[in-house]
Amino acid sequence: DQQVKQNSPSLSVQEGRISILNCDYTNSMFDYFLWYKKYPAEGPTFLISISSIKDKNEDGRFTVFLNKSAKHLSLHIVPSQPGDSAVYFCAASGDDYKLSFGAGTTVTVRA
Amino acid sequence: KAGVTQTPRYLIKTRGQQVTLSCSPISGHRSVSWYQQTPGQGLQFLFEYFSETQRNKGNFPGRFSGRQFSNSRSEMNVSTLELGDSALYLCASSLQAGFSGNTIYFGEGSWLTVV
Repeated sequence: DQQVKQNSPSLSVQEGRISILNCDYTNSMFDYFLWYKKYPAEGPTFLISISSIKDKNEDGRFTVFLNKSAKHLSLHIVPSQPGDSAVYFCAASGDDYKLSFGAGTTVTVRA
Repeated sequence: KAGVTQTPRYLIKTRGQQVTLSCSPISGHRSVSWYQQTPGQGLQFLFEYFSETQRNKGNFPGRFSGRQFSNSRSEMNVSTLELGDSALYLCASSLQAGFSGNTIYFGEGSWLTVV
């Protein structure tokens, strides 16, 4: 049972524009959310996180928004750059200290 | 400092065989967790070890097992391999048990193909 869902398998965006990646979760016990970025042939690298006590966290070009009532989070990348082309995974954890990942969204930034 | 090291990087096995994958965490890290990545399924949590003890386990059959040694190195074993076990197996390490985002470092993974 997939507790974390990324319903868009791919996203294509023009360089300089905003990339918006979405993630939905079903487990109301999740209280910590993360985004990871993965290039081919490399392991995922941590990008940004947010705890359930916040609704927004910003780090440079990356901002994560959390809507607890809708069990939804999103990652905004502004402006998008060619180096942002990668697979992005949404992940969530609760008090059982397991990380549940979504299936990933492949982002392609067009020049 | 050296990152998380996984060996072997690529391997091909036959159905019914067993396989052992190895993970060396970042020096000083005591927690190691394992994930399976298949197309369309994202990363599925297998198990986490801390100080040689399995702290948590995902929803995988008993054919999947693991262990952690006193030097924090970890191995995972899959017995009686099935075609569906073909995947990228990722190991991650962190200083402490549990997950806190930016303290988790992933290795490059071991690509397993079962034929």
